[in-house]
Amino acid sequence: GAVVSQHPSWVICKSGTSVKIECRSLDFQATTMFWYRQFPKQSLMLMATSNEGSKATYEQGVEKDKFLINHASLTLSTLTVTSAHPEDSSFYICSASYRAREGYTFGSGTRLTVV
Amino acid sequence: GQQLNQSPQSMFIQEGEDVSMNCTSSSIFNTWLWYKQEPGEGPVLLIALYKAGELTSNGRLTAQFGITRKDSFLNISASIPSDVGIYFCAGRIGSSNTGKLIFGQGTTLQVKP
Repeated sequence: GAVVSQHPSWVICKSGTSVKIECRSLDFQATTMFWYRQFPKQSLMLMATSNEGSKATYEQGVEKDKFLINHASLTLSTLTVTSAHPEDSSFYICSASYRAREGYTFGSGTRLTVV
Repeated sequence: GQQLNQSPQSMFIQEGEDVSMNCTSSSIFNTWLWYKQEPGEGPVLLIALYKAGELTSNGRLTAQFGITRKDSFLNISASIPSDVGIYFCAGRIGSSNTGKLIFGQGTTLQVKP
């Protein structure tokens, strides 16, 4: 159990377009999900905390109008990168907590390349 | 902000050797987690620690939650080639499952057969 599915696994888009990434908890309900960004050879940096039915909480320095997060149901959170630019190219990963005493389960990540 | 200092940054060892890596912080965490990440994949949980002083094993892996709650270590015994990857420590802020994680910089492990 405790599987988090992320889609797509990779995407290439043109500069100026928007890209949506989906994160689903397959066999459990997740009231809270997290979105991370990871640049090559670097650690995971938390971008925002996604709360079901309410606004996301963004980390300092993350543009909320650029990275739109929607957590419309207990099993789905989406991250939309709006007006993407080459510097937005990165590995985006979501996670959710299955039970209070278990570590978070991560999706397999989405490689975004903006050309 | 809160930071985790993870060391070493990288290790290149011979198959069969033991490995040790650690994380320290100036802040107290209520939970320490150790993850492994392989190229192009999300992190996979190895061990979770919830109590100061706790020592937990998972196969050849052993991790401990420091008494001060500001540090943790991970040991891998008798390394094998499939241990290759990046290992991250993470500290959870708060005690609920909605607390966010702060990650260390990662330890890249390479194992020579």
